[in-house]
Amino acid sequence: AQSVSQHNHHVILSEAASLELGCNYSYGGTVNLFWYVQYPGQHLQLLLKYFSGDPLVKGIKGFEAEFIKSKFSFNLRKPSVQWSDTAEYFCAVKRNTDKLIFGTGTRLQVFP
Amino acid sequence: EPEVTQTPSHQVTQMGQEVILRCVPISNHLYFYWYRQILGQKVEFLVSFYNNEISEKSEIFDDQFSVERPDGSNFTLKIRSTKLEDSAMYFCASSADDYGYTFGSGTRLTVV
Repeated sequence: AQSVSQHNHHVILSEAASLELGCNYSYGGTVNLFWYVQYPGQHLQLLLKYFSGDPLVKGIKGFEAEFIKSKFSFNLRKPSVQWSDTAEYFCAVKRNTDKLIFGTGTRLQVFP
Repeated sequence: EPEVTQTPSHQVTQMGQEVILRCVPISNHLYFYWYRQILGQKVEFLVSFYNNEISEKSEIFDDQFSVERPDGSNFTLKIRSTKLEDSAMYFCASSADDYGYTFGSGTRLTVV
């Protein structure tokens, strides 16, 4: 079955620490990849997306993600997190005209 | 920046009652979606809608669920006879091209 895996369910960091959240998917062929963020009590917001081209994608708020096709991965990174990055992060994958499928999410807590 | 608007933000209903969740997609978008997120779980696809008909639905979207675009601007999700397990956050999304989704802020449905 098609799936999106986020292995880190809960990540706790101090401010200024570096962040990497894992995302793996199980589809073959061409995929479009997304990271969404959900701040407490708010809606899903798009952080960044990959459709084609440079596999290193830069998004908003200093986030970036790298598409590694051979590993079926699209990990999210940020060199130095802030308290305001505390949120739930969702990886999502879309293949052609299929629906957007989300991973289970990673809850990030950043302490000052 | 254009937004997807959902009303109400929170709805409490008794088990067995009908509820209608409302969404106003972005005006020039053509693709519409409903997703839900049960507390603590992942965001799940319910249904996609294009050209005035359902294009895809999940196994969650059974006969108790229906969608409508009654007047060219609103996009509604109706649950005919709510169950306790329908309690969740329901997100509407729209897209111009079936790739870039914009999500609304969600309706929290509580079935008691």
